[in-house]
Amino acid sequence: EVQLVESGGGLVQPGRSLKLSCAASGFTFSNYYMAWVRQAPKKGLEWVATISTSGSRTYYPDSVKGRFTISRDNAKSSLYLQMNSLKSEDTATYYCARHEEKNYGGSPFAYWGQGTLVTVSS
Amino acid sequence: DIVLTQSPTTLSVTPGETVSLSCRASHSIGTNLHWYQQKTNESPRLLIKYASQSISGIPSRFSASGSGTDFTLNINNVEFDDVSSYFCQQTQSWPYTFGAGTKLELK
Repeated sequence: EVQLVESGGGLVQPGRSLKLSCAASGFTFSNYYMAWVRQAPKKGLEWVATISTSGSRTYYPDSVKGRFTISRDNAKSSLYLQMNSLKSEDTATYYCARHEEKNYGGSPFAYWGQGTLVTVSS
Repeated sequence: DIVLTQSPTTLSVTPGETVSLSCRASHSIGTNLHWYQQKTNESPRLLIKYASQSISGIPSRFSASGSGTDFTLNINNVEFDDVSSYFCQQTQSWPYTFGAGTKLELK
């Protein structure tokens, strides 16, 4: 069974940093592109980052580019999101997600974690 | 960026009805359009992939169609369990974008 378990969320002051983690199990982690998707309270979904199987390619929307860094450790089946220079508008539940098809970042998000809440406030 | 416009924002229906949810793209995206269901306080779930392809484990009352810029999600014989928000997403080009969602309510 595919499982994705996020951790690392919490309350952080504006301008500070936070690192999220996602522990994956139930599949061969190194075969799949992985992603982070966030959802502000009572709002819709926003794709935040995707990383290729090897980690050599990463993709971000302009809203987080230069502030957020997605990375992975295939040996540990773990995904990370380093968030720097946090803003109040980054407040959201952050989901770890797995792309559906092996080695293809254009496929949809077939599996999602339960999410971890990040609150940016002074 | 490709903008996805979903309509209506909210849909109030009677159990047993058939409903259609719309998702329109600002640029042609072929069939790189996917639908997700999200129940309150739950993670999203993939419902339909590549505009019309079904997903294992998803009830057959969910179907979808479309290509290019116009897409539709159909729910036949709506059940109480279908009360959710429905989001479309495109993976045609970066940045991947989602629609704002349609909230399905029951009368």
